[in-house]
Amino acid sequence: KAGVTQTPRYLIKTRGQQVTLSCSPISGHRSVSWYQQTPGQGLQFLFEYFSETQRNKGNFPGRFSGRQFSNSRSEMNVSTLELGDSALYLCASSLDGQSGDGYTFGSGTRLTVV
Amino acid sequence: GDSVTQMEGPVTLSEEAFLTINCTYTATGYPSLFWYVQYPGEGLQLLLKATKADDKGSNKGFEATYRKETTSFHLEKGSVQVSDSAVYFCALSPYSSASKIIFGSGTRLSIRP
Repeated sequence: KAGVTQTPRYLIKTRGQQVTLSCSPISGHRSVSWYQQTPGQGLQFLFEYFSETQRNKGNFPGRFSGRQFSNSRSEMNVSTLELGDSALYLCASSLDGQSGDGYTFGSGTRLTVV
Repeated sequence: GDSVTQMEGPVTLSEEAFLTINCTYTATGYPSLFWYVQYPGEGLQLLLKATKADDKGSNKGFEATYRKETTSFHLEKGSVQVSDSAVYFCALSPYSSASKIIFGSGTRLSIRP
């Protein structure tokens, strides 16, 4: 079966711009989570959506937002980009996000802010 | 708050050597524990998991046992291969916030032929 698909794979943006990243979960999975991976901070949880509702949120500023559609696909938006937003953004999906599922991750979108 | 601590890397071993990557955690209640692996240029792959004390997760020759008394989840493999070279992340999913995964800092493993 198809895995978690993230588009685009690479992005280069200028400071102050905004960006939208897309994630298609595994068919049947209703929970989608987003993570930011940087060399300095490691893997940090951004937020989780389940049935079109944000169910959990990490400690990121309001410039980071997301949404989930009725088909479980999810988008993440970052407004007013800063140099420090350069990172690998990973999307992960699971059936319902309950402990013990484990999550399946996509290959990520590498965002570079210049 | 909840956290995961894993041994610093990089770890370099010869092929067929025994591998141990240490991982300890701090959490309230009964978290689920995971090991994820990341190959160059790729996302994370779930390697193994354990959901309660004394459970042993295993996959592809790797094993880890959920030890509540020592709050540990060490990763072991009896004979490593060059193809095992990757970054390994220990992680937990809190009981109170199951959809959020907290990761350790990762351990880079390199295997010499």
